Amino acid sequence: GEDVEQSLFLSVREGDSSVINCTYTDSSSTYLYWYKQEPGAGLQLLTYIFSNMDMKQDQRLTVLLNKKDKHLSLRIADTQTGDSAIYFCAEIPGSGNTGKLIFGQGTTLQVKP
Amino acid sequence: DAGVIQSPRHEVTEMGQEVTLRCKPISGHNSLFWYRQTMMRGLELLIYFNNNVPIDDSGMPEDRFSAKMPNASFSTLKIQPSEPRDSAVYFCASSQESGARGYRNTEAFFGQGTRLTVV
Repeated sequence: GEDVEQSLFLSVREGDSSVINCTYTDSSSTYLYWYKQEPGAGLQLLTYIFSNMDMKQDQRLTVLLNKKDKHLSLRIADTQTGDSAIYFCAEIPGSGNTGKLIFGQGTTLQVKP
Repeated sequence: DAGVIQSPRHEVTEMGQEVTLRCKPISGHNSLFWYRQTMMRGLELLIYFNNNVPIDDSGMPEDRFSAKMPNASFSTLKIQPSEPRDSAVYFCASSQESGARGYRNTEAFFGQGTRLTVV
């Protein structure tokens, strides 16, 4: 089936690390994505990881993939108030035969000064 | 490119009226998505087009919803008749799929959304 689950809310202090978690059900997903939505705007792609990778780092962002447990996480180092947003995990299910993107419910990240 | 353009940005309508949401995807993109976002249900995929053809409309709530893509540069989502429970933000997104079958990668670009309120 096609299902992506995330916790709904995370609150951290400025300067701390944030870890946002996601689980998915389709083991054949080849690409997994993290999108960010700022207030009043559409979603923007932050980063993605190919399923044969365990980790991908991009500046302050680290993506970890545990394919056995179907668990994806996004770590934001040195979290800033500008990182406050909703973060969505997404997958392309069905062995990647189409570009159909399925999103989780989104995790609201609140960064306190 | 100006990105994905949606219109209108805001729509307030009375229950029972027809509502048409419009989307212009990014030029050259071959896939188009309509999503609905609410607090209760999060981001739901309504319908997905590839090369102007509807591939998956399993997320369309009911017969009151219909979507068309008459050409590569335009799509509409119509609700007739509208109901208060249709109130949501509707997003259109487009992408250019890359990669071989079975390994498709796609970065979806989202429009600003249309905030629909049905009273």
